Amino acid sequence: EAQVTQNPRYLITVTGKKLTVTCSQNMNHEYMSWYRQDPGLGLRQIYYSMNVEVTDKGDVPEGYKVSRKEKRNFPLILESPSPNQTSLYFCASSFGQGDGYTFGSGTRLTVV
Amino acid sequence: DQQVKQNSPSLSVQEGRISILNCDYTNSMFDYFLWYKKYPAEGPTFLISISSIKDKNEDGRFTVFLNKSAKHLSLHIVPSQPGDSAVYFCAAPSIMNYGGATNKLIFGTGTLLAVQP
Repeated sequence: EAQVTQNPRYLITVTGKKLTVTCSQNMNHEYMSWYRQDPGLGLRQIYYSMNVEVTDKGDVPEGYKVSRKEKRNFPLILESPSPNQTSLYFCASSFGQGDGYTFGSGTRLTVV
Repeated sequence: DQQVKQNSPSLSVQEGRISILNCDYTNSMFDYFLWYKKYPAEGPTFLISISSIKDKNEDGRFTVFLNKSAKHLSLHIVPSQPGDSAVYFCAAPSIMNYGGATNKLIFGTGTLLAVQP
């Protein structure tokens, strides 16, 4: 089944404790992206990647890092999480421009 | 300025009637538009898209209308079903400085549709 898999689904952590949210897609998509969803703000892009080793900042990249060492994986790293990073995170991938993104099921992160 | 706006946070419709979800945008250079549907505890799923060179795209019960002069698009669902109850997002790929579209999608804030049985 074609899908985007992100883990974990739920995570509660403390301020400053580094964490990684993993994302993997099995569709051989070139484009991958991370979004966060917050009430009243919709979906905002954090980082995106056009291919292996090619990444770029989205609208809200501060406090996040990404890497794209393999085509299928696009982890999101929070080196020192803060409470304002409490949000619902989505990983997405697409084959190319003009195609709709396929989204993962989301990771609800709470930073206390 | 590149924004996509959904000014109605929620909409309630009776089963069998038409649902109309609206979206406005600020940049006439947007190349195409997409609608996503999101159920609770799930990721958004792609629903339908429309190219800027068209004014209508239809897929079953779902039709997108694009009014370029008004910078407005709308999603029509006919007939509405209880299973259509979800949050609907309008989106467009951002435009590079020289005018080309990117793969970065700009989303609206979403409209929660409730279809009453």
